[in-house]
Amino acid sequence: AQKVTQAQTEISVVEKEDVTLDCVYETRDTTYYLFWYKQPPSGELVFLIRRNSFDEQNEISGRYSWNFQKSTSSFNFTITASQVVDSAVYFCALSGGNFNKFYFGSGTKLNVKP
Amino acid sequence: EAQVTQNPRYLITVTGKKLTVTCSQNMNHEYMSWYRQDPGLGLRQIYYSMNVEVTDKGDVPEGYKVSRKEKRNFPLILESPSPNQTSLYFCASSLGQGAYLEQYFGPGTRLTVT
Repeated sequence: AQKVTQAQTEISVVEKEDVTLDCVYETRDTTYYLFWYKQPPSGELVFLIRRNSFDEQNEISGRYSWNFQKSTSSFNFTITASQVVDSAVYFCALSGGNFNKFYFGSGTKLNVKP
Repeated sequence: EAQVTQNPRYLITVTGKKLTVTCSQNMNHEYMSWYRQDPGLGLRQIYYSMNVEVTDKGDVPEGYKVSRKEKRNFPLILESPSPNQTSLYFCASSLGQGAYLEQYFGPGTRLTVT
């Protein structure tokens, strides 16, 4: 079975604080992909990152960074020096098997206050 | 402009009245998929299509039908809608097999079934 758990339903921070969004996944597949998407208040879904199961290197893109740890089945997302524009719902997702099916977590709503 | 379009964006209907939500992409993408988003549940995949005339079930296909007669279109059909199908629906597409490449999402269709 494939499953993604985002235990943090909602997080509130003050601008410029660092914040980490947790993502824990379950899969029996040895090859799989993990994703993060952002859904701002306007409602669209914005792709942030895709990582395959063989690449455990951390990735940094500007203020965003991702920490993938197979040992703990986690793919956490950190925003450094958060900004009000980071306020959104963030979804973690998993795809394994034939790579055509996707499993999303329930999302974490991030509120960044000025 | 490369995009995924959905129509209608908002729909209020009554139980049992057949409806179709259209999805169209202009990027010549092979893969298309439908999701529903519900509070606390994140996105759940309904159906996906790997190419024309090739479709398969996602995690929550009950009560829905799809067809892929043309590469650009992937309509979602609710033959007898029920109130538990009230949700926010997203269509997505990608150039190749789902997880290998970025999925582009449509703007969403908010459906209310009374």
